[in-house]
Amino acid sequence: DADVTQTPRNRITKTGKRIMLECSQTKGHDRMYWYRQDPGLGLRLIYYSFDVKDINKGEISDGYSVSRQAQAKFSLSLESAIPNQTALYFCATSASNRETQYFGPGTRLLVL
Amino acid sequence: GNSVTQMEGPVTLSEEAFLTINCTYTATGYPSLFWYVQYPGEGLQLLLKATKADDKGSNKGFEATYRKETTSFHLEKGSVQVSDSAVYFCALRVISSGSARQLTFGSGTQLTVLP
Repeated sequence: DADVTQTPRNRITKTGKRIMLECSQTKGHDRMYWYRQDPGLGLRLIYYSFDVKDINKGEISDGYSVSRQAQAKFSLSLESAIPNQTALYFCATSASNRETQYFGPGTRLLVL
Repeated sequence: GNSVTQMEGPVTLSEEAFLTINCTYTATGYPSLFWYVQYPGEGLQLLLKATKADDKGSNKGFEATYRKETTSFHLEKGSVQVSDSAVYFCALRVISSGSARQLTFGSGTQLTVLP
């Protein structure tokens, strides 16, 4: 089984709708991250969390919110989706004493 | 601020050809450098890393040397295979006060290897 899972894998929604993307991990890592990937722009950090009680904004947090429900779960919400939030979203994890981040398979989101 | 610049793709090579993907960086501190690979339909995976000047990271036949004097971390492989077809991302991380071990990524380079 995959160590970092994301649900759903694909999602189509309409402008103005609220949606939630979920991430779960079995690696026992304390740190979790949400990125979005756009063609030609690489990955950009949306939010990150050191532990359950710690949430921090990343480079492009506007229009997004997150919830760290447990050490193993980190959800990303779009309160009112807009078309320029169409992208590939990745969750990642890392241990506090390690540099390597481990990525989930991604969620492809289309906002119409 | 921190930034990573990669050569633009796509790059198309024949099997057994030599590969170079250029990566240069700017950083406010002393970074660790990484190459991540993304195979079709999958998330990113760490390919190799280097944490100090002149270090060479290597994995699966790929190599990259941390060059502080030229602020570069070019990825090379002597003989590519069809299975190397993927998107390659150069990234850096600078530890600073309050850092969350955030990675700064380049834009990615699509590599296609033809049989």
